[in-house]
Amino acid sequence: DIQMTQSPSSLSASVGDRVTITCRASQGIDSDLGWFQQKPGRAPKRLIYGASNLQSGVPSRFSGSGSGTEFTLTISSLQPADFATYYCLQRHSYPLTFGGGTKVEIK
Amino acid sequence: QVQLVQSGSELKKPGASVKVSCKAFGYMFTHYSVNWVRQAPGQGLEWMGSINTNTGRPTYAPGFAGRFVFSLDTSASSAYVEISSLRAVDTAVYYCARDWDFWGQGTLVTVSS
Repeated sequence: DIQMTQSPSSLSASVGDRVTITCRASQGIDSDLGWFQQKPGRAPKRLIYGASNLQSGVPSRFSGSGSGTEFTLTISSLQPADFATYYCLQRHSYPLTFGGGTKVEIK
Repeated sequence: QVQLVQSGSELKKPGASVKVSCKAFGYMFTHYSVNWVRQAPGQGLEWMGSINTNTGRPTYAPGFAGRFVFSLDTSASSAYVEISSLRAVDTAVYYCARDWDFWGQGTLVTVSS
């Protein structure tokens, strides 16, 4: 199975900060990675697919990069609506696996 | 518009079974697979598996084969997961997702005596 190691597990940031979250795959997964945002009590929402493609309707302050084993989600200027938990998901091979999550909290 | 609507919360006793439904609206149901995801209280997301809505073929993640069964009713544009021999550790929110771009609202299954 492919393990997805996500870091950090939590972070505190202020509105306007640049935030970077990383996912590392235990083996190469090409660009078969998505990023999801989840707010408490809500279903996850996809932000990025194919490692770097912005989901329709998602603000452009979100961006994804990477391929192979190292991936990054960047929020260029953190907004109040962005305080949430973020997950990566590899869909390169079965079983699909999520990262452990990164909780973004208000500093 | 595209929507996935799941059945309501369930409270079950250990050993019972439960069937969670996921009804699709706004698109051709058989054109996209349906994934199932479990989220235990306060925990992360866990992929349970998926079902090909065109062929009906399920794929189960390790640990979800056996007591968990995925099924379809294409005439109703619906997917289902049935969980048998429920245990307290099955207490979780269960989500369906259309090929990851649209998600159901989640169904809380609570297993308690």
